[in-house]
Amino acid sequence: DVKVTQSSRYLVKRTGEKVFLECVQDMDHENMFWYRQDPGLGLRLIYFSYDVKMKEKGDIPEGYSVSREKKERFSLILESASTNQTSMYLCASSPWGGWGQGEYGYTFGSGTRLTVV
Amino acid sequence: EDKVVQSPLSLVVHEGDTVTLNCSYEVTNFRSLLWYKQEKKAPTFLFMLTSSGIEKKSGRLSSILDKKELFSILNITATQTGDSAIYLCAVAGTASKLTFGTGTRLQVTL
Repeated sequence: DVKVTQSSRYLVKRTGEKVFLECVQDMDHENMFWYRQDPGLGLRLIYFSYDVKMKEKGDIPEGYSVSREKKERFSLILESASTNQTSMYLCASSPWGGWGQGEYGYTFGSGTRLTVV
Repeated sequence: EDKVVQSPLSLVVHEGDTVTLNCSYEVTNFRSLLWYKQEKKAPTFLFMLTSSGIEKKSGRLSSILDKKELFSILNITATQTGDSAIYLCAVAGTASKLTFGTGTRLQVTL
C-alpha cells in the first residue's frame, strides 16, 4: 500500500523554537507539497517541490522554509515558531505532470497537528 | 490567482436525507476538479472530473462538472452517520498544483 508518512502526529513547541516537520513518500513521486489547514480557511499551500533540491513558494510561504535533499523526503522548517503557526500541517505527493489515467491527484499524509505555546 | 469557493460551509442533516454540496471555481488553464473526504486524518480521494456533463458515481455518492458555468456538485443520497466529514473540493490548474476550497463540514445525525 502506497504511503505518505509524516513523522509526528502531534507536536507541541515553544515560541521561538526551530521546528522540523518531516514527510516521506514511497511512491517515487516527483511532486511534493506542504499545506496547512485551518478552520474556515481550508488548505493553503505553503511550499511545493517538483524535483530534488527544487522548491517553489506557495500562497503563504512567510515564516517557513523547506528542504528536499532526496526524492522521497520533503521537510518543512519553521525557523522561529510563532503562535500563529499553530495549525494542522498536511504533506502530499503526486507524480510528475499531475495525473493521468489511473492516477488520483494527491496522496496525503495523516497530518501533523502543531501547537506553538 | 486560482480560487475555489465551497458552499455551504457546514450542514447538519438527518440520516436518510439527500445532500448537495457546491463548488465553484476560477482557475487558469483548468485541468481537473477533485473531491476529497476528510474524516479525522488525511483527505481521501473521491472523484476526479475533467469533462463537463459526465456524472461520476460511487455507491451513494455522485458528482458532475459544468465547465461552462465553472462549478461542480457532489450529491450524497440516503446519508449515513459515516458520511459525517469535511468534503473538500480542489482544482488543478498550472502543472500539478491543487487549489482547495475551505471545505463543507457535513454532520449526519440519527
